[in-house]
Amino acid sequence: GAGVSQSPRYKVAKRGQDVALRCDPISGHVSLFWYQQALGQGPEFLTYFQNEAQLDKSGLPSDRFFAERPEGSVSTLKIQRTQQEDSAVYLCASSVRSGTSGTHNEQFFGPGTRLTVL
Amino acid sequence: AQKITQTQPGMFVQEKEAVTLDCTYDTSDQSYGLFWYKQPSSGEMIFLIYQGSYDEQNATEGRYSLNFQKARKSANLVISASQLGDSAMYFCAMRVVETSYDKVIFGPGTSLSVIP
Repeated sequence: GAGVSQSPRYKVAKRGQDVALRCDPISGHVSLFWYQQALGQGPEFLTYFQNEAQLDKSGLPSDRFFAERPEGSVSTLKIQRTQQEDSAVYLCASSVRSGTSGTHNEQFFGPGTRLTVL
Repeated sequence: AQKITQTQPGMFVQEKEAVTLDCTYDTSDQSYGLFWYKQPSSGEMIFLIYQGSYDEQNATEGRYSLNFQKARKSANLVISASQLGDSAMYFCAMRVVETSYDKVIFGPGTSLSVIP
């Protein structure tokens, strides 16, 4: 496909379960981002990859959150021992490369995974 | 600290009228990019318009234009000739890139409703 894809689109988990969310970025895109969007709010940055390197994970809310991108393409966001406050839409975005701040470097977003923790 | 402020939680506009959505930002970086995204109720984030901090001209994309006032650190979105399909959440965002740092900060969003 031409765009960013995410799976599953919807996930319901019982509190304490582990979940894994997948992101397939646009082919050739170097940069990959994960965001968490709570209901009625803007996306909050979680983590950033440049190829397979996780350069920034300052937004991960706790050590229950873990992300990887082992071959520099597909990425997985894993949440261990899910809590109700983890309920949100998890958005993945990719862009061609970082470039510089002042250059147009649009992020392309996937449709998101809506996680509901009961 | 970098921050995006959108002071209008909700806005209404009559169809075919123009509307301005406010955005102010805070950063100490000299080089940054400003974006506006639209998020309809279906949830996807749709890129609308981009303004680089060094761009001297205001960006325009069809019915969208960005009123960039660097000294005031404001990047308001103007939508001309509003259409019913413009009803959505609108997010202002700022991207700052360093060698090993690439972060996009989003504002809280403005909900726009277009009235027939």
